Amino acid sequence: GENVEQHPSTLSVQEGDSAVIKCTYSDSASNYFPWYKQELGKRPQLIIDIRSNVGEKKDQRIAVTLNKTAKHFSLHITETQPEDSAVYFCAATLVGGGADGLTFGKGTHLIIQP
Amino acid sequence: NAGVMQNPRHLVRRRGQEARLRCSPMKGHSHVYWYRQLPEEGLKFMVYLQKENIIDESGMPKERFSAEFPKEGPSILRIQQVVRGDSAAYFCASSSSNSGGKETQYFGPGTRLLVL
Repeated sequence: GENVEQHPSTLSVQEGDSAVIKCTYSDSASNYFPWYKQELGKRPQLIIDIRSNVGEKKDQRIAVTLNKTAKHFSLHITETQPEDSAVYFCAATLVGGGADGLTFGKGTHLIIQP
Repeated sequence: NAGVMQNPRHLVRRRGQEARLRCSPMKGHSHVYWYRQLPEEGLKFMVYLQKENIIDESGMPKERFSAEFPKEGPSILRIQQVVRGDSAAYFCASSSSNSGGKETQYFGPGTRLLVL
């Protein structure tokens, strides 16, 4: 089955700086890679996703890059703000293959220092 | 358009009792997924269902756990004879499809199960 590794487990950055979170996956067949943000006691919320036919996707201050050859993908947050503080999870799956459950990384606790 | 709904939000059970968790997917969504989250950990996939069918239950323990998504009504995750190790947050997610760009999974608020 799929295995997703996520680093770092904790990331502290100054407000206004950039934050980068990296994930690797094991199953080369995986073709869908979402990122979720979870605040304490709340539901995971999708912030951005990328499919394997695309190498990069951007949405305002958030971008995701995918390297299929190396089997890794990264989340980039620029101009960080206090409200970006949360736990971020990457995930991977093969959609349409009958086993569409997401395999999640263990999460990165992002702390934005004022 | 209401999002994914789960109830109850909090559930307390004593060891040996049964727990029933309910999930109503977003309107128009026919794919439901259940995940378990232990404190300070990521989410673990349990089961994927479509109406009246279990598609993938590879993440669900073989004993005491079962899930259904009937033709009418919410999806149910049932845990029989609960033990303290079952204490966790159980999240349900739904999607409108499993392909064609419609595979995005939207999560409900979760049910926090505490076993005494």
